[in-house]
Amino acid sequence: DTAVSQTPKYLVTQMGNDKSIKCEQNLGHDTMYWYKQDSKKFLKIMFSYNNKELIINETVPNRFSPKSPDKAHLNLHINSLELGDSAVYFCASSQGGGENQPQHFGDGTRLSIL
Amino acid sequence: GDSVTQMEGPVTLSEEAFLTINCTYTATGYPSLFWYVQYPGEGLQLLLKATKADDKGSNKGFEATYRKETTSFHLEKGSVQVSDSAVYFCALTGSQGNLIFGKGTKLSVKP
Repeated sequence: DTAVSQTPKYLVTQMGNDKSIKCEQNLGHDTMYWYKQDSKKFLKIMFSYNNKELIINETVPNRFSPKSPDKAHLNLHINSLELGDSAVYFCASSQGGGENQPQHFGDGTRLSIL
Repeated sequence: GDSVTQMEGPVTLSEEAFLTINCTYTATGYPSLFWYVQYPGEGLQLLLKATKADDKGSNKGFEATYRKETTSFHLEKGSVQVSDSAVYFCALTGSQGNLIFGKGTKLSVKP
């Protein structure tokens, strides 16, 4: 039943490692997003994809690489993890990516770098 | 660029009190406006939305009206419950369809 599901829910790892977060939506939406929520709860867009095509790529270090194998999946791979990458990462989806379409969010992945 | 400013929290209220969380925005066009709610340990859920001036969004007793003249979208509820304790985010859609969020307002409701 879960509309937008992310795995894992928690990720604890060492600095310098490479990790991936997976996201899947079963809503039939064609646009997916990654947001980062910092320790002060501030949310900011990182990437968005529409039908597997990159639409938004904010000023995110190139250690972060999104991959969309199909329009129902948008994964996030992070190389050479740094302490500042500790945050909660949210995946979201919407239909059309237009102004009137609300976005549906996953429960988040809490990434902690030791 | 487009931005959202909402009142700093935390806000602490007693049950059945009246709630207002202020939100103002800056945008070049006429974006859709949203309130999202984040309960502890969970993702964001859409609470309500308004897509054009003078629209009123409402859900679960919460209301917000899109005021173009004051560029505001204040969230109100007449009588809060303990279960309303959460972080509330005001947001608008940016030019590329992404959401631009305010910094969030934490609400705690005491019995």
